[in-house]
Amino acid sequence: AQSVTQPDIHITVSEGASLELRCNYSYGATPYLFWYVQSPGQGLQLLLKYFSGDTLVQGIKGFEAEFKRSQSSFNLRKPSVHWSDAAEYFCAVTGGASGNTPLVFGKGTRLSVIA
Amino acid sequence: GAVVSQHPSRVICKSGTSVKIECRSLDFQATTMFWYRQFPKQSLMLMATSNEGSKATYEQGVEKDKFLINHASLTLSTLTVTSAHPEDSSFYICSARDLVAGTQYFGPGTRLLVL
Repeated sequence: AQSVTQPDIHITVSEGASLELRCNYSYGATPYLFWYVQSPGQGLQLLLKYFSGDTLVQGIKGFEAEFKRSQSSFNLRKPSVHWSDAAEYFCAVTGGASGNTPLVFGKGTRLSVIA
Repeated sequence: GAVVSQHPSRVICKSGTSVKIECRSLDFQATTMFWYRQFPKQSLMLMATSNEGSKATYEQGVEKDKFLINHASLTLSTLTVTSAHPEDSSFYICSARDLVAGTQYFGPGTRLLVL
C-alpha cells in the first residue's frame, strides 16, 4: 500500500534562512509525487509535482524538490524563506496521473517563520 | 492554472438538517473528483471517489447513506451530509483531477458547523 511519511510535525525557521521539509514515500512502482501548501482555513495549492525526467523539479514561490529513488524521498527546499511561507505543507503520492487513483497524503509539516 | 470551486465556503446548520456542498471544475472536465475531510491540525482524509455517471466509491468507515455523493456532469460533484450531527462538523475539501495535466487540483474547502 502507498504511504507518505513527513517526519517533522512542526518546523520553525528565521526569515531569510533556508528550508528543507522532508518527505519519504512507500510505493511499489514509479510514484507520482506532489507538494501542496495550505494556509489556515484554505484549500490546498499545488507547489510542484514530479512524474518523470529531471529529478530536481522547480515549483512556484521559489520552491524546489528533489526526487531520490534510492532514498524513497522527495524533500522540499527553499533557499530563503519569507514570512508569507508560514503554512502547512503536505507531501502526497499517487500511482498514476490518470484514472481513479487518489492522492495519499502525509500528515503535514507546519512551518512557522520568525523574524 | 486550473481552478476548482466549492460552495458554500462555510455553513452553519441545526442538528438533523441536510447540507449540500457543491464542487465544480471551472476550466477542465473531471471524470473523477475526490472528497476529503480534514479535522483541525490534521491531514486530509479521503472520504470517497466520485465518478461521473456512476456510483461513488467510499473509503472504509465512511457511511455512504450519510454522505451522499452525486457526480452528474463532468464539471460538478455534490456532497450531501444527511441528518447532520455535531460530530459531522469539519472542513470538507473536494478535488478534481485534470487528466491532461495529470494533476489533482483542490477546492478552497467548506467549513461545516452543526449546532
